[in-house]
Amino acid sequence: NAGVTQTPKFQVLKTGQSMTLQCAQDMNHNSMYWYRQDPGMGLRLIYYSASEGTTDKGEVPNGYNVSRLNKREFSLRLESAAPSQTSVYFCASSVGQKNIQYFGAGTRLSVL
Amino acid sequence: QQPVQSPQAVILREGEDAVINCSSSKALYSVHWYRQKHGEAPVFLMILLKGGEQKGHEKISASFNEKKQQSSLYLTASQLSYSGTYFCGTEGVGAQKLVFGQGTRLTINP
Repeated sequence: NAGVTQTPKFQVLKTGQSMTLQCAQDMNHNSMYWYRQDPGMGLRLIYYSASEGTTDKGEVPNGYNVSRLNKREFSLRLESAAPSQTSVYFCASSVGQKNIQYFGAGTRLSVL
Repeated sequence: QQPVQSPQAVILREGEDAVINCSSSKALYSVHWYRQKHGEAPVFLMILLKGGEQKGHEKISASFNEKKQQSSLYLTASQLSYSGTYFCGTEGVGAQKLVFGQGTRLTINP
């Protein structure tokens, strides 16, 4: 099994450009999450989807939008990228009451 | 609100013990512990649920004091492979999401 797959692995954008980060899981998990990781800040939740058809804001949602396309896929969109969005982005999925999170390999995004 | 981890960084020699603490200001349903190697994704280590249980295997274990909303991760007789950044993730009752601490960087030297 591939687990959680994120694309692309690396991306460089110019300020104002838009892009979509893709995430897919093949574990039949109900819940999916988008985090960003900055030095010294840990993992901060951007948006999450507890089940297909629902999405909710996390701690740092400003500047982002998400789409839960189906049970497998959860995408994160930056409409107008800013240098403050330079970060490593992780997608994760979980199932069940214990909510154990399985992470993708990450997308390293630089906004110039 | 983000849980607070301490210490922020630890440097040990192989074979020494370490304790990493995680403290929350909110009532918790569970505490998770994850380890992240440099340049890689976080990997789940263990979960502790309400009830003050202690869990673990081999030389890595953890405890959860739900009255104090605190958890501790214990690494005994550390190995080189234990190096990495450790994160606690806390889940409030009915929250369906984790809030992660800022991380503790553990370096094990030969």
